[in-house]
Order: sequence, then C-alpha cells, then structure tokens
Amino acid sequence: DAGITQSPRHKVTETGTPVTLRCHQTENHRYMYWYRQDPGHGLRLIHYSYGVKDTDKGEVSDGYSVSRSKTEDFLLTLESATSSQTSVYFCAISGHSTGYGYTFGSGTRLTVV
Amino acid sequence: AQSVSQHNHHVILSEAASLELGCNYSYGGTVNLFWYVQYPGQHLQLLLKYFSGDPLVKGIKGFEAEFIKSKFSFNLRKPSVQWSDTAEYFCAVNYGGSQGNLIFGKGTKLSVKP
Repeated sequence: DAGITQSPRHKVTETGTPVTLRCHQTENHRYMYWYRQDPGHGLRLIHYSYGVKDTDKGEVSDGYSVSRSKTEDFLLTLESATSSQTSVYFCAISGHSTGYGYTFGSGTRLTVV
Repeated sequence: AQSVSQHNHHVILSEAASLELGCNYSYGGTVNLFWYVQYPGQHLQLLLKYFSGDPLVKGIKGFEAEFIKSKFSFNLRKPSVQWSDTAEYFCAVNYGGSQGNLIFGKGTKLSVKP
C-alpha cells in the first residue's frame, strides 16, 4: 500500500551487530506496530506505538527496542542480532478512520548469519 | 483472555469447490472483525471487514463473511475457489471497537489444486 513503506526490504547481517528497520507512513495514523512472522508461529507482536514517544511492548519484545520521534516514522532496533531473529518483519498502521484495522507494509526479510 | 481461533490449519481444495474458513472470537462485547489474505511472498492485505449493520459482508475477489453474534463467529466463504486463491488467510478482531490492537488468529493456509 502506498501509504506505508518499510526499509530495507532485505538485509543480511552478522550475529552481534545492531540492526535498525524503518517504517514510514504518510497516512497520519496514530498507531504503528511491528510484527515478526515465522512459519508455525503466525504473526507475533514485537512493539507498538500509540503516538509520538508513546510505545509499549508486545509478546516478543526481548532483544528489540523501538523509537517514534515523529508521527510518520517508527524504528525497530535489534540491539545485538541473533540467529533466532532471522524472520520477516512487518510494520502496520491503524487509526480511527480504518476502524482500527491494519494496513501492512511490504515487509523486511532479515537474515542473521 | 481475548483470543481468536481459526479452526483449520491447512485446507486443500480443487478449483470450483466452495470454501468456508472458520473464525471464532472469545469476547461478547463490541467487536470490529477483519479477514486478511497473504499471497505467497507478500504482505497481508485486507479482504473484508465488519463494523456494524448487515452481518453479511462482501469483500474483494468474491469473498464474503457472515458475522453471527450468538456464535461469536465470523466465517469466510467463497462459492467457487480459483487456483489464484492459494494463500494464507488470517482472521483478526479489534475488541471494544475502539483504540486497541488487533488480535490475530494463527492463520489458515489454503491450497487450491488446478
């Protein structure tokens, strides 16, 4: 969807290095989310934000941090990447105008070697 | 706890067969209900949604879903599937109909044989 972009689309990184994924929206939605998707586990919420500088943990937040300094950007940082964090990461946005349904970004495929 | 259950993990159908995927949620109050589809290698896209009104909602690509409040269900249907419907389907619920996260089901993988 044009209103939400993720970068990078693909990344290979080494164990122990920090990695930052970016989610950018042009919809001015209040809520932003980071999920990871792994076979057999479905979608798992990592962190979410309900406004600038307001963030909270999801069910699999260990090893991840987030920041939201502007409405349009939500950054996910893997502080010290591990092989267990190899996954596809999706950002999503939602707001009152969508009935709080999500619009998803195209995803980032991260491989930690 | 608020939850969403999708009964089938993997469904295999032949083209032109009818499809029904089950979805049940756990809370009896106000809900907004969604079905998403994820084609292989792609991100989740909205198929249809229910907020209020007519409990039979129609979405894209010939899909429809029926909200049955007494059964806490929101099943997805399609009268005749095509090979291009091969994808994973996720049911999701926003409890309370206001601010808050969507709760997703685990997904149902649909394979359509040509």
